[in-house]
Amino acid sequence: DTAVSQTPKYLVTQMGNDKSIKCEQNLGHDTMYWYKQDSKKFLKIMFSYNNKELIINETVPNRFSPKSPDKAHLNLHINSLELGDSAVYFCASSPVGVGVAEAFFGQGTRLTVV
Amino acid sequence: DQQVKQNSPSLSVQEGRISILNCDYTNSMFDYFLWYKKYPAEGPTFLISISSIKDKNEDGRFTVFLNKSAKHLSLHIVPSQPGDSAVYFCAASGNQFYFGTGTSLTVIP
Repeated sequence: DTAVSQTPKYLVTQMGNDKSIKCEQNLGHDTMYWYKQDSKKFLKIMFSYNNKELIINETVPNRFSPKSPDKAHLNLHINSLELGDSAVYFCASSPVGVGVAEAFFGQGTRLTVV
Repeated sequence: DQQVKQNSPSLSVQEGRISILNCDYTNSMFDYFLWYKKYPAEGPTFLISISSIKDKNEDGRFTVFLNKSAKHLSLHIVPSQPGDSAVYFCAASGNQFYFGTGTSLTVIP
């Protein structure tokens, strides 16, 4: 029973398309995150939600929009995909806001824009 | 600007020996530090953590040391096993989790 699950695992799409990555956690956590791991393997936060409320919105293009229908889900929508969006995207959750508890990660979605 | 740094991209160790992975950070306000382990095509998995009020935390073969004055932490794995071969990420907790770029550990049988 996967704690943090994201779909799809692999996504290949053409430039200009719009795509979504879904994330669900069954841990009862209040906080969820999206991270991007680029070609340099650097894990950088994109968004953080606490109880469906946006907490952190790092400098990412407006083409990226997170949507949290409930606190167990945080989906990532990407419009007008560009080549530079190719990366591995990780969803994560933690019990409370960032503090003294670890974050649990999904398996990642490898996005390839061609 | 990268607030958490792992300056060694890779490390090779013989099975049974000690593996030492290092991590440096710049923000003295960080108060909680974590190590994650990542296998290919999987998400990072939490390994061990340490609060800033401690200088050492041990869990089986894994020990994390924190030197606040030097803003440095390290992960010791002893004895190292081939199954430990993975990428290890150091992270620090501030208003978000800040990750290093990872160290790829290879344990040679």
